Amino acid sequence: AQSVTQPDIHITVSEGASLELRCNYSYGATPYLFWYVQSPGQGLQLLLKYFSGDTLVQGIKGFEAEFKRSQSSFNLRKPSVHWSDAAEYFCAVGVGGQGGSEKLVFGKGTKLTVNP
Amino acid sequence: DSGVTQTPKHLITATGQRVTLRCSPRSGDLSVYWYQQSLDQGLQFLIQYYNGEERAKGNILERFSAQQFPDLHSELNLSSLELGDSALYFCASSPGRSISSYNSPLHFGNGTRLTVT
Repeated sequence: AQSVTQPDIHITVSEGASLELRCNYSYGATPYLFWYVQSPGQGLQLLLKYFSGDTLVQGIKGFEAEFKRSQSSFNLRKPSVHWSDAAEYFCAVGVGGQGGSEKLVFGKGTKLTVNP
Repeated sequence: DSGVTQTPKHLITATGQRVTLRCSPRSGDLSVYWYQQSLDQGLQFLIQYYNGEERAKGNILERFSAQQFPDLHSELNLSSLELGDSALYFCASSPGRSISSYNSPLHFGNGTRLTVT
């Protein structure tokens, strides 16, 4: 079955430090990949997406992610973290269903804490 | 602001009761998806509607049902509520019948927090 694994439940970084959040997926076909961010009490905001083409994708708020097919990974990176980046981050893969429908399968999320 | 509106924001009810959650998709979006977020299960896909018709079903209980109306808003009905139904329920929308239709991701509302006591 399709699945998404985010190995790190909780990560703490200092403000200004670099960040990498890991995501691995299990899916037979070419995946559609997404990163969403959820601030406390808020909905899910799309950070970036990969459908095809360039494997390094740029998103909002200075985030980027790289699709590595050989490693089944789609890790999220940011060179310098800001205190406002503290939130929970979800990786998701779009998987095919019946009749061409699709759904998003989400990882369990990584909670990011930023120390001043 | 994603453009997806969910009401109410919070709902507190007792076991055995029935509630209705409402979602208005982004302007122009024809698909509505419902997700449940709980601490133990994470984000689980419940059901998708496209232009008024059910398109895909996920881990939706028989006690739950949904529909999408001609004006494209959607309602999720939860009945015979149990303590374990307490969760955050998200609605998301997209333009096409599938994510790949327009290479468009899902845009999520801020959710309805349901507490069953």
